Amino acid sequence: DAGITQSPRYKITETGRQVTLMCHQTWSHSYMFWYRQDLGHGLRLIYYSAAADITDKGEVPDGYVVSRSKTENFPLTLESATRSQTSVYFCASSEDRARETQYFGPGTRLLVL
Amino acid sequence: AQSVTQLGSHVSVSEGALVLLRCNYSSSVPPYLFWYVQYPNQGLQLLLKYTSAATLVKGINGFEAEFKKSETSFHLTKPSAHMSDAAEYFCAVSASSSGSARQLTFGSGTQLTVLP
Repeated sequence: DAGITQSPRYKITETGRQVTLMCHQTWSHSYMFWYRQDLGHGLRLIYYSAAADITDKGEVPDGYVVSRSKTENFPLTLESATRSQTSVYFCASSEDRARETQYFGPGTRLLVL
Repeated sequence: AQSVTQLGSHVSVSEGALVLLRCNYSSSVPPYLFWYVQYPNQGLQLLLKYTSAATLVKGINGFEAEFKKSETSFHLTKPSAHMSDAAEYFCAVSASSSGSARQLTFGSGTQLTVLP
């Protein structure tokens, strides 16, 4: 199916475990983004990527790692999950960083026990 | 750095009444401004955007917003609320500071409830 997809949609893990959230888009957009959404904070940018093999930190990158070996995929890894990383994670893509529409995936709800 | 303030985390209106969701921004350069809507358990989708063309921007589902530079505002309005408008709305600004590249910053969101 065309669009932007995320997997898994729901994940429960334990403190200290490694977790990888997947994001895939079929538009060949150059830019991809990872946000986390928490009550009272709106969406905060974790990492973004301008192209394959080009990534950069956003507002809240600590504890997260990203990679982008292919244009269409942008996985987000929590190397050692903490309870403070319990959140809803959204992936997005766009043609441009600044002025073009960002298209969002359906989100992944992550609970860290 | 740029920032966005959405006044009122919760807004309730009656069906058929005017919807007004407030957004103020700060930016040292001409901003691009966006309104996104999020329905329960879904990702965000674009309602409308301002990118330095007409100051009155029309979006989907009957929403519009007016860019007012003097007031640093970009309030979202709809003349007549519908039950299907119940959702969370996010204002976002794309701007830069100190010569850095633009990036998108979201407000904390306004939950709109439509009462029958």
